[in-house]
Amino acid sequence: QKEVEQNSGPLSVPEGAIASLNCTYSDRGSQSFFWYRQYSGKSPELIMFIYSNGDKEDGRFTAQLNKASQYVSLLIRDSQPSDSATYLCAVRGGSYIPTFGRGTSLIVHP
Amino acid sequence: KAGVTQTPRYLIKTRGQQVTLSCSPISGHRSVSWYQQTPGQGLQFLFEYFSETQRNKGNFPGRFSGRQFSNSRSEMNVSTLELGDSALYLCASSSKDRSPGEQYFGPGTRLTVT
Repeated sequence: QKEVEQNSGPLSVPEGAIASLNCTYSDRGSQSFFWYRQYSGKSPELIMFIYSNGDKEDGRFTAQLNKASQYVSLLIRDSQPSDSATYLCAVRGGSYIPTFGRGTSLIVHP
Repeated sequence: KAGVTQTPRYLIKTRGQQVTLSCSPISGHRSVSWYQQTPGQGLQFLFEYFSETQRNKGNFPGRFSGRQFSNSRSEMNVSTLELGDSALYLCASSSKDRSPGEQYFGPGTRLTVT
C-alpha cells in the first residue's frame, strides 16, 4: 500500500513568517512530487512539482526533495493571509498513478 | 485560455440510479484524469485517459467507468449508486501523457446520493 503522509494541522503562522509543510512517502520508486493548494470549497490548484533531489524555487515557494529520507517539503516565504488553505502533497511512481496525502491546513493570521 | 469545465456542478441522485458526469479539458490537452474526493478518504485517483485510451485505473469497483471522445472531452459513469458514492468528483487535464501530477483541475461535480 503506497502511502503519503501529511500532518493534518492546522499549522498556524503569523503573516510574513515562513510556513513549512512536510510530506513523507512510502514508495521508494516514486519519481515525481507535486504540491497543490486547495481553498475551502474549491478544487486543487497545482503550485509546484519537483523531480530531482534538492530545492526548486518559484517566487515565494520552495519545494525540497530528499529521496533518501523519502520526504518532500514546501516552504512558503513571507506568508500572507491569502495563503491560508489546505496543501496537498501528491506522489507519482512508476505506475503513473498519483497518490495524494490528506493535506495540511495552513492558517496565516495577520 | 479557458480552464477545465465540468457539468453538472451539483447533482442529487437516489440509491440504485446511475449518473454520468462530463468534463471538457483545457484546449489542447489530451490527458484527462478523474478523482473522487471525500472527507474520509481524501483525493483518490479513478482513471486517466489519453487520446481516447484508458491509461490507468485506480482501485474502484467496476461500477465506475469512463470514456474519452476524439475531441478529448471525457465522461465518467457510476452505475447502481450507493450512499458512499456521495463525493466531489474532480476532473483534471494535462498536456502530457502519463503525467497526471502536472495537471489542472476543474471545479468539480458535487454528487449527493440519498
